[in-house]
Amino acid sequence: GQQVMQIPQYQHVQEGEDFTTYCNSSTTLSNIQWYKQRPGGHPVFLIQLVKSGEVKKQKRLTFQFGEAKKNSSLHITATQTTDVGTYFCAGRNRDDKIIFGKGTRLHILP
Amino acid sequence: GAGVSQSPRYKVTKRGQDVALRCDPISGHVSLYWYRQALGQGPEFLTYFNYEAQQDKSGLPNDRFSAERPEGSISTLTIQRTEQRDSAMYRCASSFGTDYGYTFGSGTRLTVV
Repeated sequence: GQQVMQIPQYQHVQEGEDFTTYCNSSTTLSNIQWYKQRPGGHPVFLIQLVKSGEVKKQKRLTFQFGEAKKNSSLHITATQTTDVGTYFCAGRNRDDKIIFGKGTRLHILP
Repeated sequence: GAGVSQSPRYKVTKRGQDVALRCDPISGHVSLYWYRQALGQGPEFLTYFNYEAQQDKSGLPNDRFSAERPEGSISTLTIQRTEQRDSAMYRCASSFGTDYGYTFGSGTRLTVV
């Protein structure tokens, strides 16, 4: 079945450093969504990418969708303590089902 | 409502009992999804509805699990004859449609003892 792989599983960065998480799907996706889950919280929708090669920015966050629509990345510039949490990608397949990756847990060192 | 509401927040049940988990989606949201999330893992798809129609139930682990959304609004996920392996956080989400981002509820933490 379809798989969505996310790496790394964990990332520790010093406050102010950059952070990137990568998402790869075994199949071509209709679109990809990104969510953030704070410790003890629930996933919160960040963004959806639809077009091949699409790049979107939200302040310090940059999201990219690969040309083949099988991979995506989230890059955070100059991390802050408020960025702590787990970042999930979620790929929508052609059956309209969204499959979540296992997430990348970001920990910020002060 | 303002957000997706799930009840109960916590449920402890004895092995073999049936449980019903409720989800009240955002008003006007057409699509409703059920996910299960183990600690340290991503949400695992269970089933979803568009209006009252169950579109996909391929993620339900076995026939002890069922879901309904009879009037296209509130949904209930029922687990019959619960087993310890059913213990998890059960999350409901809703959206305007399958092409939109999801709004998740706070979840129901189910513990089977």
